[in-house]
Amino acid sequence: GQNIDQPTEMTATEGAIVQINCTYQTSGFNGLFWYQQHAGEAPTFLSYNVLDGLEEKGRFSSFLSRSKGYSYLLLKELQMKDSASYLCAAMDSNYQLIWGAGTKLIIKP
Amino acid sequence: GAVVSQHPSRVICKSGTSVKIECRSLDFQATTMFWYRQFPKKSLMLMATSNEGSKATYEQGVEKDKFLINHASLTLSTLTVTSAHPEDSSFYICSARDLSGTDTEAFFGQGTRLTVV
Repeated sequence: GQNIDQPTEMTATEGAIVQINCTYQTSGFNGLFWYQQHAGEAPTFLSYNVLDGLEEKGRFSSFLSRSKGYSYLLLKELQMKDSASYLCAAMDSNYQLIWGAGTKLIIKP
Repeated sequence: GAVVSQHPSRVICKSGTSVKIECRSLDFQATTMFWYRQFPKKSLMLMATSNEGSKATYEQGVEKDKFLINHASLTLSTLTVTSAHPEDSSFYICSARDLSGTDTEAFFGQGTRLTVV
């Protein structure tokens, strides 16, 4: 079956670095997405990886290892506004997005 | 990125009535639109996939007659919740993609908070 696993909740300190991991199993693979979702709002796109390696975009970076079925989202210089849920989604061979349950990130001062 | 507009953002309706939610792609042609439902503190649950000009494909467990989806044009898909009940109260989100191109990113509407009283 298809499955996405990511931690339910993480806590980090303002100004620090946090890494949110995601493992996936899908029928075929067409890329891995990370979305940020604030409570009561729709998800917003953060990153897309389809090749192995690290993609850096400002304070956010995303890593993918296709052989391990593994990705992580790295957030640097954490700000209070980064408190949100982070959704990992893998695209299968039919271009369907398989969603993880999301990781709630709590930022403490 | 591309813009997807979803309307209304919030709606309260009486039990037994129907509610229509619109999803529009404003600056691109959405060959495929997806409708999700999200329960509190849960991830997105795909309800159905709609392709322009054809019938929607519903996920297992989603009632076709209750959640009517129409994708009449490349820029508009609608979800109608028929004979709504309190258990239909939820956050509904649409997303659109243009699979004819190379961009695979899913663009989301703002979401609709439905409350059935």
